[in-house]
Amino acid sequence: QSALTQPASVSGSPGQSITVSCIGTSSDVGGYNYVSWYQQHPGKAPKLLIYDVSERPSGVSNRFSGSKSGNTASLTISGLQAEDEADYYCNSYTTSSTYDRSSTYVFGTGTKVTVL
Amino acid sequence: QVQLQESGPGLVKPSETLSLTCAVSGGSISRSNWWSWVRQAPGKGLEWIGEISHRGNTNYNPSLKSRVTISMDQSKNQFSLNLSSVTAADTAIYYCVRNGEKYFDYWGQGTLVTVSS
Repeated sequence: QSALTQPASVSGSPGQSITVSCIGTSSDVGGYNYVSWYQQHPGKAPKLLIYDVSERPSGVSNRFSGSKSGNTASLTISGLQAEDEADYYCNSYTTSSTYDRSSTYVFGTGTKVTVL
Repeated sequence: QVQLQESGPGLVKPSETLSLTCAVSGGSISRSNWWSWVRQAPGKGLEWIGEISHRGNTNYNPSLKSRVTISMDQSKNQFSLNLSSVTAADTAIYYCVRNGEKYFDYWGQGTLVTVSS
């Protein structure tokens, strides 16, 4: 399967809202409500921000929200803060195109968010 | 609080097998959940390698399936990754991860494995 498509970079000023897109196909993003988003600061492990398209784990700021329309998922960061500067990855559950249709996951290409 | 810790050689020779272990604390790998391996080549994005269930069932990334084996040792509460016939393209930080329903909620700190002679 191919990686989901994300913009290489998105930037915004403190306090603004930005949106990161994640484009897939009807076989992954469009086919399941199992899109998740991860934040990764340099030298650190990824952190779960959003799961099941729009659910937030306990402890994650409500400034982060997720949505999906067709084959495109989106992560919105509102009230942008300096600490939000990081790489962001989307992920979707899917099934293999091989005969056994086994479960598999595909990540997005990643987006670097810069706070101006 | 679930914690995961990867361990294994930091340097592997080309054509040999990369072997890593993930020790899990704060939860039993035999009770529930799937457990995954994810890797990240230097300066690149994330790639899901495969997963194993608490019952020992496995699923693998189709692009790596022919070279990957994930197993578990319930007595030690750990699971392992073997990746055979490695090349320089397999140089990456390898993360062990706990799956939520269809997402990844707890991550290890990651371990860098370099493939070089």
